[in-house]
Amino acid sequence: DAKTTQPPSMDCAEGRAANLPCNHSTISGNEYVYWYRQIHSQGPQYIIHGLKNNETNEMASLIITEDRKSSTLILPHATLRDTAVYYCIVQGYNKFYFGSGTKLNVKP
Amino acid sequence: DGGITQSPKYLFRKEGQNVTLSCEQNLNHDAMYWYRQDPGQGLRLIYYSQIVNDFQKGDIAEGYSVSREKKESFPLTVTSAQKNPTAFYLCASKFGRPGSPTEAFFGQGTRLTVV
Repeated sequence: DAKTTQPPSMDCAEGRAANLPCNHSTISGNEYVYWYRQIHSQGPQYIIHGLKNNETNEMASLIITEDRKSSTLILPHATLRDTAVYYCIVQGYNKFYFGSGTKLNVKP
Repeated sequence: DGGITQSPKYLFRKEGQNVTLSCEQNLNHDAMYWYRQDPGQGLRLIYYSQIVNDFQKGDIAEGYSVSREKKESFPLTVTSAQKNPTAFYLCASKFGRPGSPTEAFFGQGTRLTVV
């Protein structure tokens, strides 16, 4: 199963776009990229997923590079409630692994 | 409302005792998972199950046991063989065949403390 690499922390000003990068250089052709976030002491919450095309939903956008070795999660207008740990995951056949994630600090 | 429920939210255990954490889902999901999370760390996979009466070890299964007698339920037992059981435990479920592009739903977790 492919593993992911994310920066441990990032800061973002409230109202600005937050761009969270993820490297997954060993991803296989049929593996999806998922993003979840975890607010302190709660269960992770699903945000978005994609295979190779860019995806957008009401929460975020997902940009996947053409070679699929990296992706970026975009929160278009970050709010204080978006402060959380964001996990990028590559889903294998049977299971999915969470790395250490990126702690996003949204500041007023 | 459909969802995944973990109980209890907080659990205290004396050293040397076994304890069972409950995880129930009414989402008709096939796959269920148990993760452990230590302070400031990511989630580590303990066990997972794709169908009833079948389950597989994850990365840190030693000192833990599970059962999957019903589709809705996937209890985790923390045995006395687990050397450092104090942690936050998360259960998840997911619909569909292995590898299918569906998202996982997580419970709110059980915080286990050994006293």
